[in-house]
Amino acid sequence: EPEVTQTPSHQVTQMGQEVILRCVPISNHLYFYWYRQILGQKVEFLVSFYNNEISEKSEIFDDQFSVERPDGSNFTLKIRSTKLEDSAMYFCATAKDLNQPQHFGDGTRLSIL
Amino acid sequence: RKEVEQDPGPFNVPEGATVAFNCTYSNSASQSFFWYRQDCRKEPKLLMSVYSSGNEDGRFTAQLNRASQYISLLIRDSKLSDSATYLCVVNGGATNKLIFGTGTLLAVQP
Repeated sequence: EPEVTQTPSHQVTQMGQEVILRCVPISNHLYFYWYRQILGQKVEFLVSFYNNEISEKSEIFDDQFSVERPDGSNFTLKIRSTKLEDSAMYFCATAKDLNQPQHFGDGTRLSIL
Repeated sequence: RKEVEQDPGPFNVPEGATVAFNCTYSNSASQSFFWYRQDCRKEPKLLMSVYSSGNEDGRFTAQLNRASQYISLLIRDSKLSDSATYLCVVNGGATNKLIFGTGTLLAVQP
């Protein structure tokens, strides 16, 4: 069964540094999402992306965050200047269309020191 | 009121038991409903979509009551492998972003 793949599985970064989290969507999926889950808390929506532009973003997704699909395959989440509170699991999810369930990658654990 | 509300549990049940999880949601405009399962420190995995008429997949039965904005999941004949956190999930808005409940932890005991 095709799956969403995310790299790296674990990223440890000093506060203030930039990080880029990568996702390879399932090949015929057109809708892309990032979610995060702080340890012990619920999964939270960050941003949705369709047709090479952001379609919706949450309050969490401030100016420090950006997404892009630079080469038509990878879908990336960049955090420009990381903060301690950015430590979380970041999940990429993709869907074929708006009526189909989203499939999640196995996540990147981001640890900010 | 929380967007999606679930009893956090934990639910400790013996193997073979039947267990029910409930969930309420606040946005009456929501159109899609799901149960996801999440193992410790893993990604959410789709268990089943929930339809207005109710639906069943093996030992799992999901029900939706739109009037009460209430979703349920019933697990029959619990297995040890069912131990996980069960996430009630509702779509929110035109982009189909998912809104998650905090999850209900199930521990099936031998």
